[in-house]
Formats: sequence, structure tokens, C-alpha cells
Amino acid sequence: QVQLQESGPGLVEPSGTLSLTCAVSGGSISNDNWWSWVRQPPGKGLEWIGEIYHSGGTNYNPSLKSRVTISVDRSKNQFSLKLSSVTAADTAVYYCAYNGYYSIDYWGQGILVTVSP
Amino acid sequence: EIVLTLSPGTLSLSPGERATLSCRASQTVDSTYLAWYQQKPGQAPRLLIYGTSNRATGIPDRFIGSGSGTDFSLTISRLEPEDFAVYYCQQYGRSPPLYTFGLGTKLEIK
Repeated sequence: QVQLQESGPGLVEPSGTLSLTCAVSGGSISNDNWWSWVRQPPGKGLEWIGEIYHSGGTNYNPSLKSRVTISVDRSKNQFSLKLSSVTAADTAVYYCAYNGYYSIDYWGQGILVTVSP
Repeated sequence: EIVLTLSPGTLSLSPGERATLSCRASQTVDSTYLAWYQQKPGQAPRLLIYGTSNRATGIPDRFIGSGSGTDFSLTISRLEPEDFAVYYCQQYGRSPPLYTFGLGTKLEIK
């Protein structure tokens, strides 16, 4: 079973760039499936950020597209998220995930990122 | 963009009772593209049901998904103590945002 682990700074300054990495174990990132980032503000619902295929193809949520970049590093079996020009509204738990059959099958444990001076 | 509305917002029941959660879509959803998740405090969501009625690996058969068109439901036939959590429905769209979620139903112990 695929396992995912997010890592990165837990605190980002306003107007800065949030950068997170997701390490994949128990499977290859080059498998025939997509990999997603999803976030959840404290006490609120889930928002899909975007996804990437091992070849580098991406799809993004239009509400975040201008600020988001998702990339993949097949040599390290990991993928990454960058979100620029962050504000307090970007404070959330960020999950990396493995996409399944039109669903999100496996999730990392999540990492809380707070945007604050 | 399709909007998913879950109801009720909060459902208070006792262990052993039957729970029915509703997910209504603002437009028709292909039944292949409707999923349900369970989330407990401090944990990541867990996939329960995909394709409207297919249980994910390791999900007990007391979790039953059904529906079509704009109306979908998740039934928990006999509540166990570990079932009290927040539940989300999700639909997959043909254009971004590919995955959209409803706001969630909190299932709490009465």
C-alpha cells in the first residue's frame, strides 16, 4: 500500500511562498496514476489544489491556478507544491494524496501550515 | 462547477442505530464519479466508497452507498462507536477543479 509523508515549513510569512514536499513509499511515483494536493483550513472543509502525473502533466484548481506550481522528482520518488503570494486565508492543513478511480484513495497525515508574520 | 450539499449538517444518533447521510448535487453527476470519505479529528480523510456504491479496501459492509442523478446517500446500517466522525461526499468533474467536496456532515453520539 502506498504511503505518503508531507514535509516543509510550518510557518510562512504573508506574501511569501509556501513550499511542501511529499515523499512516496510503498510504490513508485511513476505508476500509472495521478498525485494530488488537498488542503483543509482549520475547522473547515476540503479543497482540491491540483494534481500531477509522473510525466509532469498537471491540472490545477482554477481558484488557485495563478499561484500554484506542482512538480515531480521521479529520482527521489516525490512530488512538491509551491503556493505563492500567501495570505492568512492560505492557513490550512495540506495533504498530499494518491488518486484512484475518480476518487482520492490514499492520503498523507497532513501538515499544518500557518501564514503569519 | 458542481456544488455538493450534504444534509443534515449534524446527525445525533446512538450506537446500534442506522444512519443515513444525504449528498445532493447542483447538477447531474455520473454515478462513476461520486465518492464518500470519513474523517476523524486530527486525522486525514479516509476513502469509504467510490463509484457511488463500491466499498474501498477494508471498509466494513455496514457502509452502503447508493443514489443516482443529483441525489446520493451513505447509509451506515448499524453504528459502531468508531463511526462517529465527519463525512464528506466528493464528485469528479471533467474539467478543473477535478475534485470537489461537500462541506461535510458531522455524525455525533447522542
